[in-house]
Amino acid sequence: AQTVTQSQPEMSVQEAETVTLSCTYDTSESDYYLFWYKQPPSRQMILVIRQEAYKQQNATENRFSVNFQKAAKSFSLKISDSQLGDAAMYFCAYGRQMAGYSTLTFGKGTMLLVSP
Amino acid sequence: DTGVSQNPRHKITKRGQNVTFRCDPISEHNRLYWYRQTLGQGPEFLTYFQNEAQLEKSRLLSDRFSAERPKGSFSTLEIQRTEQGDSAMYLCASSQEGNTQYFGPGTRLTVL
Repeated sequence: AQTVTQSQPEMSVQEAETVTLSCTYDTSESDYYLFWYKQPPSRQMILVIRQEAYKQQNATENRFSVNFQKAAKSFSLKISDSQLGDAAMYFCAYGRQMAGYSTLTFGKGTMLLVSP
Repeated sequence: DTGVSQNPRHKITKRGQNVTFRCDPISEHNRLYWYRQTLGQGPEFLTYFQNEAQLEKSRLLSDRFSAERPKGSFSTLEIQRTEQGDSAMYLCASSQEGNTQYFGPGTRLTVL
């Protein structure tokens, strides 16, 4: 079974600064997907970024980028130029590659606090 | 694209009662997932539908839980004889081909 570990229960960053959230996972599969989702307080889960395991290039979405180290089974999220609206719980998720679908295994989350 | 919707948003029930939740996926999405999220944890997978067929169920889905997607559009999740341990946020997600899942706002269940 796959497991996802987020070792940082809480992280703090100041506005305009950069923060990196850590995620490691365990799997014996070679083909899979990795995701970062953001869950603001009392609001729904929003996809931040996605990475296919077969791609060596790290995914980027505006201020969000990942550092994907397949051999180390590490998938960290870097948020540049942090904004107050980035404050949320961030979940790392592993997606099994099935026949046309993918069930997700989530970590416990990292609460990101952003201060002015 | 109106997003995934879930109803009700909150449900309070007494132990032993039955409850039913509804999920309406994004209209063109044929894949639908249910997850459960307890306080301080990430979501855990419960079950998966492709169109109307339920193709995968987690061990978490005990006999008291049943899910349907009768016409391949909306889905319902029913919990019979609720227990206090069933208190959680129940999340629905949908996707098209490909693997990016879009989540609804969830139904928060409190069992007294």
